[in-house]
Amino acid sequence: AQTVTQSQPEMSVQEAETVTLSCTYDTSESDYYLFWYKQPPSRQMILVIRQEAYKQQNATENRFSVNFQKAAKSFSLKISDSQLGDAAMYFCAYRSPIQGAQKLVFGQGTRLTINP
Amino acid sequence: DTGVSQDPRHKITKRGQNVTFRCDPISEHNRLYWYRQTLGQGPEFLTYFQNEAQLEKSRLLSDRFSAERPKGSFSTLEIQRTEQGDSAMYLCASSGRVAPNEKLFFGSGTQLSVL
Repeated sequence: AQTVTQSQPEMSVQEAETVTLSCTYDTSESDYYLFWYKQPPSRQMILVIRQEAYKQQNATENRFSVNFQKAAKSFSLKISDSQLGDAAMYFCAYRSPIQGAQKLVFGQGTRLTINP
Repeated sequence: DTGVSQDPRHKITKRGQNVTFRCDPISEHNRLYWYRQTLGQGPEFLTYFQNEAQLEKSRLLSDRFSAERPKGSFSTLEIQRTEQGDSAMYLCASSGRVAPNEKLFFGSGTQLSVL
């Protein structure tokens, strides 16, 4: 079974600075999807960014980018120019490409605090 | 697009009671998912519907849990004879696209406390 590990329970960063959240995963599959989700105090999970394993190019979405290292099974999230609204729990997630296996496997989460 | 709606937002119950949660997905979304999130953990997959058909159930979903989606629109999750270990947030998500472009839209969850 696939597992996702986030080794940083909490992180903090100064407003406008850059922060990197770590994620590692374990799988025997060669093709899969990886995600970062944000969960603010409102509790609604919001998709931040996604990466297809067959793509070598790292995904970017405005201030958010990933460093995908397939061989190392590492998928870190970089947030540039941190804003107060970025404060939330961040979850890394894995999804198998097998048809019918639509479930996400989440890590334990990292709580990100933004210091003004 | 009014988003995924879950009701109630909070539920407090006594051990042994039955509870039912409701999820209204985004209209025209044919896939609906239930997840459970305990304190300090990431969500765990419980079950999945495509239209009215329940296609996958996690082993986490014991016999006391049942989910339905009778007309392929809203869904209910019922827990019978609740136990303190059932205390968690129950999240619903929906999607309307086929993988690999599937994007899940989550509701704000129902927080269950079993006393």
